[in-house]
Amino acid sequence: KQEVTQIPAALSVPEGENLVLNCSFTDSAIYNLQWFRQDPGKGLTSLLLIQSSQREQTSGRLNASLDKSSGRSTLYIAASQPGDSATYLCAADSGGGADGLTFGKGTHLIIQP
Amino acid sequence: NAGVMQNPRHLVRRRGQEARLRCSPMKGHSHVYWYRQLPEEGLKFMVYLQKENIIDESGMPKERFSAEFPKEGPSILRIQQVVRGDSAAYFCASAGASDTDTQYFGPGTRLTVL
Repeated sequence: KQEVTQIPAALSVPEGENLVLNCSFTDSAIYNLQWFRQDPGKGLTSLLLIQSSQREQTSGRLNASLDKSSGRSTLYIAASQPGDSATYLCAADSGGGADGLTFGKGTHLIIQP
Repeated sequence: NAGVMQNPRHLVRRRGQEARLRCSPMKGHSHVYWYRQLPEEGLKFMVYLQKENIIDESGMPKERFSAEFPKEGPSILRIQQVVRGDSAAYFCASAGASDTDTQYFGPGTRLTVL
């Protein structure tokens, strides 16, 4: 059974810093890994999806990497802004649809102005 | 192109009542997933449906919970005789023709049981 862990659970940094959020998964047989953003009381916004054959994906100031062999993914946020404050969720698709996505509990990020 | 729609956005029920949550997938999507997010916990998969079929309900509680995705109309997650522990955010996601397609999430329904 797939398990996803995110470290740290919470992070507070000053504006402008570069930061890394970590995600680990126990079963390396994944179809893809996805990073989401969730604002308080809101739904999920997909940030980046990395297919199992890919090593990384980039979108603006965000870069996500995937190392299947070690069961790890990282989300790198460059030049952080207060608007980046949110909970970031990592999710592994290991069932190709069946079983749905397996989510970590998230990293609650606060960017101090 | 409207995204995944869920209604109601907020639902308040008293213990013992029924809750019906609706999800309209993105246009052209035939796969629907329901997830539950309990307070201070991550999202947990509940059920995966295609039109008129339940494909995987391994995450669904055995009693009081049911889901359907009829040929016409939205997918429905139904919770009978709600209890306080059912209070959570319920998210629906839809995907296209393949079950390995990206899942797009709706805004969620926040259920509060008094």
